[in-house]
Amino acid sequence: QVQLQESGPGLVTPSQTLSLTCSVSGGSINSGGSYWSWIRQHTGKGLEWIGYINYSGNTYYNPSLKSRVTISVDTSKNQFSLKVNSVTAADTARYYCARGPGDGGDFDYWGQGTLVTVSS
Amino acid sequence: SSELTQDPTVSVALGQTVRITCQGDSFRSYLASWYQQKPGQAPVLVIYGRNNRPSGIPDRFSVSSSGNTASLTITGAQAEDEADYYCNSRDSSANWVFGGGTKLTVL
Repeated sequence: QVQLQESGPGLVTPSQTLSLTCSVSGGSINSGGSYWSWIRQHTGKGLEWIGYINYSGNTYYNPSLKSRVTISVDTSKNQFSLKVNSVTAADTARYYCARGPGDGGDFDYWGQGTLVTVSS
Repeated sequence: SSELTQDPTVSVALGQTVRITCQGDSFRSYLASWYQQKPGQAPVLVIYGRNNRPSGIPDRFSVSSSGNTASLTITGAQAEDEADYYCNSRDSSANWVFGGGTKLTVL
């Protein structure tokens, strides 16, 4: 059973960089064909896909966030990470890491999410 | 704004059948996946593609698609099915996008 766990600061100052890490257990991030995504959810709102990475470092980002987002992978630690630059209050949200999209377009395993608040 | 449109709220009587719909031009090319989210919890994949259910998801959940509409059907809704449901697919630029969500109430 694959498990994912997000970690990182819960409070970020406006204009600074939001940094989160997702630790994967119960499976290798190197699994052939697997993609690993970040998804966020503003309080009381819907889900927003941020971007994904695969084990070899190929990335694809939501165009609406592309200029500020970087996703990276550390296969030695079985982790992948998210950085969002120049954050504002609009980046306050719960951030989830998930495995996917799979061949069926599915995101099959999710972390519990971590709430990040952007405030001075 | 999402390119996948869902009704904000839907209700169903206990044991009855309910259909939750998701509209978007992407469904003429791509299939949908569906997620259930209960308050304070992470989303859970319930079904994707052509009726593929992860282990542990009851077979009362099924999907269908017609034209620009994808549908999630719950046959014999249970109290534990009360939750928010999100569809997911690709938009016109092949980016991944979620619908705005449907709050299902089981009466």
